[in-house]
Parts: sequence; C-alpha cells; structure tokens
Amino acid sequence: DAGVIQSPRHEVTEMGQEVTLRCKPISGHDYLFWYRQTMMRGLELLIYFNNNVPIDDSGMPEDRFSAKMPNASFSTLKIQPSEPRDSAVYFCASSFSGTNTQYFGPGTRLTVL
Amino acid sequence: DAKTTQPPSMDCAEGRAANLPCNHSTISGNEYVYWYRQIHSQGPQYIIHGLKNNETNEMASLIITEDRKSSTLILPHATLRDTAVYYCIVTGSNYKLTFGKGTLLTVNP
Repeated sequence: DAGVIQSPRHEVTEMGQEVTLRCKPISGHDYLFWYRQTMMRGLELLIYFNNNVPIDDSGMPEDRFSAKMPNASFSTLKIQPSEPRDSAVYFCASSFSGTNTQYFGPGTRLTVL
Repeated sequence: DAKTTQPPSMDCAEGRAANLPCNHSTISGNEYVYWYRQIHSQGPQYIIHGLKNNETNEMASLIITEDRKSSTLILPHATLRDTAVYYCIVTGSNYKLTFGKGTLLTVNP
C-alpha cells in the first residue's frame, strides 16, 4: 500500500488567495483526520470524518476553513481567503474503525505571504 | 481523555536502550496508552499501544505500571534514526488523538 498521500507537498501563496490541500487515505480506512502543526500550537486536530461524514469539526479555526470528503478515497481542506497566520504544516491521517492507530501522510507545508 | 506528562528532552547513546517515561495519573479504566513519534519533517508514526498489560512489537516495548498511572516506552537498541519527538497519548474510544509537546529524544553516536 502507498500509505496516505497528500498533495501538494509544498504550497506558497499570497494572502487572500484560495488554497486547496488534498488527501488520499489508505484504502479500506473509514476514518480520515486533518491536523495542523505549528511551532507555537503544536499538532492540532482540525476535523475528522467517518465514512465520508464530518463527525467533529470543533478544531476548525474559523469559517475560512472548510473540509470535504466526497468519497472514500479523497478529501480536501480549503482555506479561503488565506492569511499569513495559516502558514503551517497540514497533515492528513486515516485509520480503520475500532482503533486509534492512525497513519499519517507526509504533510503539506503551506506558506502564506 | 486523560492528560499526560513527559520530560521535554532526553539523550541516549547509540546502541543503548532508550527509556521514555510518561505520567498519566488521571487515566480511566477504558483508556488506552498510545505512543507515536515524529521524525523531523515527517508525519507522526504509530509505535505501540496498550491497555494494562505490557506490550512488545518490532519497534518497541511498552511497560504500564500496575496502577496504570504511568508507562515507559523502551527502544531496546537505539539508533541515530530513532532521534525524534515521542508522544505519549491517552485516549478512549472516540478516535481522537490529542498530541502534547512530547519528548525530544536525541540519540548520540
């Protein structure tokens, strides 16, 4: 298995632009998680899905952030409009129901200028 | 989920055992202890987990005290590639993981 796949690996954009991060979970996993990591706040859970349905989005910082999972093999995290304070590494992870063993992708390093 | 306390940093000599402690004094009966690590610039990696019995896999051993208030992750023969931040997480059945600051383990040649 290829593991969790994220794209792009690096993204540099200007303030105000829309940013879309993509994730392909491990086949067969029914949970998908989006995390954000910064030096100041560490690794934070933003939102997670079960069977493509958002279960808990309490970690989403504000309305500029949105996440979707149109099918079992694809999810997006969108920031519109982006701000410099959104600069961080965004990780996607997936897991199989009944376990807290999450498998993380390599992350997307986002820089908003 | 119960809160955990870990030392911010530790050093270990290459080839020696690395013993990483974690306190979780408020753990509930149905909560598991999970260990993850994050090598620089990579995503976190699952290592091992346990409920109350000691566990061992190809990566590490997990020793949980009888009262379950603390645990120790053991890397039996640390290598330079084991240099990473190690996270101890206590979680119930809600599938959420809350990462603290972890312990930066530096393995020295």
